[in-house]
Amino acid sequence: AQKVTQAQTEISVVEKEDVTLDCVYETRDTTYYLFWYKQPPSGELVFLIRRNSFDEQNEISGRYSWNFQKSTSSFNFTITASQVVDSAVYFCALKMNTGFQKLVFGTGTRLLVSP
Amino acid sequence: GAVVSQHPSWVICKSGTSVKIECRSLDFQATTMFWYRQFPKQSLMLMATSNEGSKATYEQGVEKDKFLINHASLTLSTLTVTSAHPEDSSFYICSARDWDINSPLHFGNGTRLTVT
Repeated sequence: AQKVTQAQTEISVVEKEDVTLDCVYETRDTTYYLFWYKQPPSGELVFLIRRNSFDEQNEISGRYSWNFQKSTSSFNFTITASQVVDSAVYFCALKMNTGFQKLVFGTGTRLLVSP
Repeated sequence: GAVVSQHPSWVICKSGTSVKIECRSLDFQATTMFWYRQFPKQSLMLMATSNEGSKATYEQGVEKDKFLINHASLTLSTLTVTSAHPEDSSFYICSARDWDINSPLHFGNGTRLTVT
């Protein structure tokens, strides 16, 4: 079965703090994709990153970085020097490699960054 | 980049009426579209998958007669909530992908449905 677990329901930090959002996934597929999306209060889903299961290199994009550890089935997301505008719900997702290739979402982590 | 337009952004309807939500791909051909539902402070749950010209495939527990999905063209899919009830109030989001199964999903901005 395909499953994505985001154990942190809500995280509160003060601006400029670093914060890591955890994501653990389960899949029997050998090839799969992992995603992170941001959902601000307005509701739209903002694509942040897509990672192929064969590419375990960590990635950095500005204040964002991702740590993909296949051995522990984790794909964690770190925001460095958080800002108020980072306040949102963040979803980790797994794309199934069978059937319609649908996206399975985790339950999301609500990040609140206060000034 | 690819854009998916979802309309309306929000709608309020009376119990017993039907509501149609449109999802359009503006600059690519959406071979496959997915419809998600999100209750407040919860995750996105897939309702159904539709391929252009075919009947939609519904997830377990989703009533196909209540949530009618039409994907008659490569740029438009519609979700009709029939005989809406207050418990259908939710945030509905569509996403679309072109023929390449490895291409990323593009999401609409969502429709907030309130049934009174």
